[in-house]
Amino acid sequence: DGGITQSPKYLFRKEGQNVTLSCEQNLNHDAMYWYRQDPGQGLRLIYYSQIVNDFQKGDIAEGYSVSREKKESFPLTVTSAQKNPTAFYLCASGTSRPDTQYFGPGTRLTVL
Amino acid sequence: SQKIEQNSEALNIQEGKTATLTCNYTNYSPAYLQWYRQDPGRGPVFLLLIRENEKEKRKERLKVTFDTTLKQSLFHITASQPADSATYLCALEGAYNFNKFYFGSGTKLNVKP
Repeated sequence: DGGITQSPKYLFRKEGQNVTLSCEQNLNHDAMYWYRQDPGQGLRLIYYSQIVNDFQKGDIAEGYSVSREKKESFPLTVTSAQKNPTAFYLCASGTSRPDTQYFGPGTRLTVL
Repeated sequence: SQKIEQNSEALNIQEGKTATLTCNYTNYSPAYLQWYRQDPGRGPVFLLLIRENEKEKRKERLKVTFDTTLKQSLFHITASQPADSATYLCALEGAYNFNKFYFGSGTKLNVKP
């Protein structure tokens, strides 16, 4: 069964704690992405990676960190430096040009 | 900075009619423009991609137009059905900024039976 998985679906954390969101894909895509979505807003790019061991900051990278040690995996850590971490987080992977993105089911993070 | 605008008001139409959604952009020269569908609490699903040198693209009941002079894309759903009710997002990718996408905030479509 091919696709992108994100876990967990819902995540609750106390303020000041770091938390890592999982993203795995078995589509053999080179590119992977992390987006944040807030109510009534579009997706905003946090980080993206075009190849293993390389990644670039998106528009709202502050307070987040990523790693890309394997092609299949692109975990996102939300650090305590992120001021407003409560949001819906979406991971995606993509084909090469023309680029199409395939999204995971998302993780809803709530910081209490 | 780049700006992508989609109508924030919901579009309400009757079943069987054609729904037309708009995506306008400024300060950007996209190589590709894409449309996605997003249902509540779920990730977006890719629908159609159109290149900057294409005027129109069709897929079943869906049609996308791309006017780089007007900096606008129109997304049409013909013979709309209640199952088409969802939020539709447009996304742009630049000619030289590979793999970096900018999304609009989406327009919610409600198709009433």
